[in-house]
Amino acid sequence: EVQLVESGGGLVQPGGSLKLSCTASGFTFSASAMHWVRQASGKGLEWVGRIRSKVDNYATLYAASLNGRFTISRDDSKNMVYLQMNSLKSEDTAVYYCSLAKESFDSWGQGTLVTVSS
Amino acid sequence: QAGLTQPPSVSTDLRQTATLTCTGNSNNIGDQGAAWLQQHQGHPPKLLSYRNNNRPSGISERLSASRSGNTASLTITELQPEDEADYYCSAWDSSLVAWVFGGGTKLTVL
Repeated sequence: EVQLVESGGGLVQPGGSLKLSCTASGFTFSASAMHWVRQASGKGLEWVGRIRSKVDNYATLYAASLNGRFTISRDDSKNMVYLQMNSLKSEDTAVYYCSLAKESFDSWGQGTLVTVSS
Repeated sequence: QAGLTQPPSVSTDLRQTATLTCTGNSNNIGDQGAAWLQQHQGHPPKLLSYRNNNRPSGISERLSASRSGNTASLTITELQPEDEADYYCSAWDSSLVAWVFGGGTKLTVL
């Protein structure tokens, strides 16, 4: 069974940084691409970015609206994917999900809440 | 960035058929089709179908997806109370070079 567990969320001040983690199990993580998706309270889903596997040179892709503030990385030895978020703004406040990118957004974690506020 | 267009809400009677729509363009739905996700309040989304009408294992046969031109549709027959949820469509946009989502449709089962 695919399991994805996000962690690292919390309260951060505007302009600050935060690194989210997603621990994966139940599938061949090293061969899998992974997405990050966020959802502000009461709002819809917003794609953040994606990282591919080693065979695809760990290629990353991001939503243009992030203007280079976010970086996705992974550690295949730990079955983990990360989302480094810098220069955080109030509008980045959301639940952040990692998702297995097999056929589409195949499986999701429970999400971790990031609140950007002074 | 531009996304996909979904009606904010749809209401349909119990045991009837609901059809949800998602409109994009030739760079997204018209190119590679759409996926559909269901989200119950307080829970993460769940993939219902991908590339128009491929269902992951365990997804009810009451759900079927299709595409006509730049519009994707999700049809749910024999509506049940548990079908009441938010439904999102998603597609790869080759022009934006990004994944895009619709704004979501809240399905109410009357």
